[in-house]
This record gives sequence, structure tokens and C-alpha cells, in this order.
Amino acid sequence: DGGITQSPKYLFRKEGQNVTLSCEQNLNHDAMYWYRQDPGQGLRLIYYSQIVNDFQKGDIAEGYSVSREKKESFPLTVTSAQKNPTAFYLCASSIRLASYEQYFGPGTRLTVT
Amino acid sequence: GDSVTQMEGPVTLSEEAFLTINCTYTATGYPSLFWYVQYPGEGLQLLLKATKADDKGSNKGFEATYRKETTSFHLEKGSVQVSDSAVYFCALYQAGTALIFGKGTTLSVSS
Repeated sequence: DGGITQSPKYLFRKEGQNVTLSCEQNLNHDAMYWYRQDPGQGLRLIYYSQIVNDFQKGDIAEGYSVSREKKESFPLTVTSAQKNPTAFYLCASSIRLASYEQYFGPGTRLTVT
Repeated sequence: GDSVTQMEGPVTLSEEAFLTINCTYTATGYPSLFWYVQYPGEGLQLLLKATKADDKGSNKGFEATYRKETTSFHLEKGSVQVSDSAVYFCALYQAGTALIFGKGTTLSVSS
């Protein structure tokens, strides 16, 4: 089955540690996205990538980094510089950047203490 | 800039009640409009869409009509079920930009 996988579903880290969230898709989509979801705030765009080796900052990129070395993979690193990293993180993809229909993964809930 | 405003929740209904979740938008040009649904512990799924004024999107008994004159895209369902309990997000898309989401409305349906 085609889709997007995110792992792990739950992740716990100590403050001051970097942590990398995995996102893989086998839909052959060019564009991929990372969103952060907080209660009552909806989804906010962190980074997006329209093609391999290219990515752009979204609305809340500070404290995060990404890479896009393969079409299928778009990992997100939450660095120690991110002031409030505890959140639900969603990865999505679309056929291309100009395509409005995005497919979402199941999400990773990150808790930093 | 472009934005989406949804009614605040939670919305609590009994099974078979009528549902309306309001959504209005602010945008230059002619955006496409969407409703996404998020079931507990999961990612978002596209529920329905409308790409031009007066289009009606529909899926699984849900409907929404793109009203340019009132800049609205309200979600409706005639008879909700317990399985419809989820968070609903209104979103808009303009060419060359990413999706812009509303804050989400939580729907809770009891039997």
C-alpha cells in the first residue's frame, strides 16, 4: 500500500538534546512538508521541500532543520534551540508543490522534559 | 495575508443531529477550499474540496459550498454518527503557496 510513514509514534527526549523525526513516503511525490500541531493552534508549517536537495522555511522554522537527500525521505531535526519542542508533528506530501491535495502521515508526538 | 477562521469548538451533538461547522476565509484572488478531518491519534485526511465559486464538495454525507460573496465554506452533515467524532480543519490554497489551515474544530458525537 502506498502512503506516508512516520516513526516513532511517541518520542521522549531530555531538554538540550537534538532529536530527529523520520518521514518516508512511497507515493512518488515530489513535494513534502512538516507541520507542527499544538492544541487550539491548528497546523503550522515548519519546512517544505519541492524537490530533492531543495527545501524552504515555513512559518515557524526557527529551531528546526531538515534534509532531502532522497525523494522518499524528509527527516526533521528538532534542535536544542527550539524553545517549546513538545508537540505533535505531522509530515505530508503532494504530487508537486502546486498540488493542493496533501497526504498526511500518522504523526509523531514528541515530549521533551 | 491569507487566512482561515473556523468556529471554535468543541461542538457536542447527539447522534443523528444536524451539523454545521462555520468557516470563513480571507484571500486575494480565487483560492481553492478544503475540509480535512483528523481522527483521534491520526494524521489528517482530505474530506472534501471545492476549487471555484459555487462548487459544492461532498463526501461521506458531508457537504460544503464555496460561497465567494460571503467568503465562506461551511461544513454540513444532515445526520452525524458517533464515528464522525474528530477534529475538522478548513483550509485554503492559493497557487504558489502552501496550504493555510484554520485552527480546527473538535466534534464530539454521543449515542
